[in-house]
Amino acid sequence: SQTIHQWPATLVQPVGSPLSLECTVEGTSNPNLYWYRQAAGRGLQLLFYSVGIGQISSEVPQNLSASRPQDRQFILSSKKLLLSDSGFYLCAWSVRGTVNQPQHFGDGTRLSIL
Amino acid sequence: GQQVMQIPQYQHVQEGEDFTTYCNSSTTLSNIQWYKQRPGGHPVFLIQLVKSGEVKKQKRLTFQFGEAKKNSSLHITATQTTDVGTYFCAGPRVGTYKYIFGTGTRLKVLA
Repeated sequence: SQTIHQWPATLVQPVGSPLSLECTVEGTSNPNLYWYRQAAGRGLQLLFYSVGIGQISSEVPQNLSASRPQDRQFILSSKKLLLSDSGFYLCAWSVRGTVNQPQHFGDGTRLSIL
Repeated sequence: GQQVMQIPQYQHVQEGEDFTTYCNSSTTLSNIQWYKQRPGGHPVFLIQLVKSGEVKKQKRLTFQFGEAKKNSSLHITATQTTDVGTYFCAGPRVGTYKYIFGTGTRLKVLA
């Protein structure tokens, strides 16, 4: 069966520090991969999505970036965190090649910026 | 741009009462998905509707896709405390693999 792993579960970082969140998927190949951010009590904002290695689509201009160095690995990064980057970051995957597939989410990372 | 809205934003019900959340899209959707997010958890896929006017049931949950494929609803009969959470609908952005999530309805069930 397929599984998705995200780490760390929680993170507290000072303003201006760098960020690296990692997500890996097991049990499937060539997945679509997504990064979402959820502010407290709010909906899901799509940040990035990828349909293959090295193929990243950015949804919202910001100081975050994403990379997909391997087929089942998706990384969210920042060189300098802002207070507004606080939130719940969720990675998700779906079957590649068709739009009518559910998204499967990881447990998420709660990021607090001080 | 394409938008997906949900109402109500919040709903408090007594255990045993029914609950309904409504989802409205600014554009016609090829399909619609529903997710549930428990407090402190991540969204979990519930169901997908594809056909115009489609109705699907999962135990006490009834999902409906509108005839024009621009709206959908989720109805829970006789709510239980285990139904607590936020319910999101999501529709695909035309021509992409991306889904636009609705604003969500947070359900609180009072025992």
